[in-house]
Amino acid sequence: GAGVSQSPSNKVTEKGKDVELRCDPISGHTALYWYRQSLGQGLEFLIYFQGNSAPDKSGLPSDRFSAERTGGSVSTLTIQRTQQEDSAVYLCASSRDGLREQYFGPGTRLTVT
Amino acid sequence: AQSVTQLDSQVPVFEEAPVELRCNYSSSVSVYLFWYVQYPNQGLQLLLKYLSGSTLVKGINGFEAEFNKSQTSFHLRKPSVHISDTAEYFCAVIPIGGTSYGKLTFGQGTILTVHP
Repeated sequence: GAGVSQSPSNKVTEKGKDVELRCDPISGHTALYWYRQSLGQGLEFLIYFQGNSAPDKSGLPSDRFSAERTGGSVSTLTIQRTQQEDSAVYLCASSRDGLREQYFGPGTRLTVT
Repeated sequence: AQSVTQLDSQVPVFEEAPVELRCNYSSSVSVYLFWYVQYPNQGLQLLLKYLSGSTLVKGINGFEAEFNKSQTSFHLRKPSVHISDTAEYFCAVIPIGGTSYGKLTFGQGTILTVHP
């Protein structure tokens, strides 16, 4: 079946602009995660959605970052007033029940100039 | 909280040689353990997982790992590597209790380079 998809694959934006990154999880997976991967920081957890529960936002680095998940499926990660330090690969993953293996999308490479 | 330490940031090895990538973790609650592989410019792919049962788990591409609870380790091994195994490998844990329930914590990654 189809895996996790993300769009766009690459995004170049100017400092100060807002960006939206999209994630389509595997159908039927109740858990959805966003991670950030950058040189020197490794893989950082950002936010976790599980079913209808309130999301775990404990990994969001600042209030410029937000995410939503509509209808228990598609998720959008929004970064407002982008900064150069936001440049990274943003990875989305989904999991059947939040405890088992996570399946990752190919990522969105964000470059802030 | 939990943490994952991958003891080697880079491991060079010749083709057809055996390899071991080391992973140790720390957690105050029980965890599930995973190894992921990331090929250049691609997302992460699950290699293998330990949830329960036999402590020796086999994954894709001939890799295996052994969970050692007393040493809190989950080392990844392959008896004979190929050029195509060149990639970055990540060890990860999910706590199955506590305040970090369900959140995957990754190690810093080990870059495996297989030379001909």
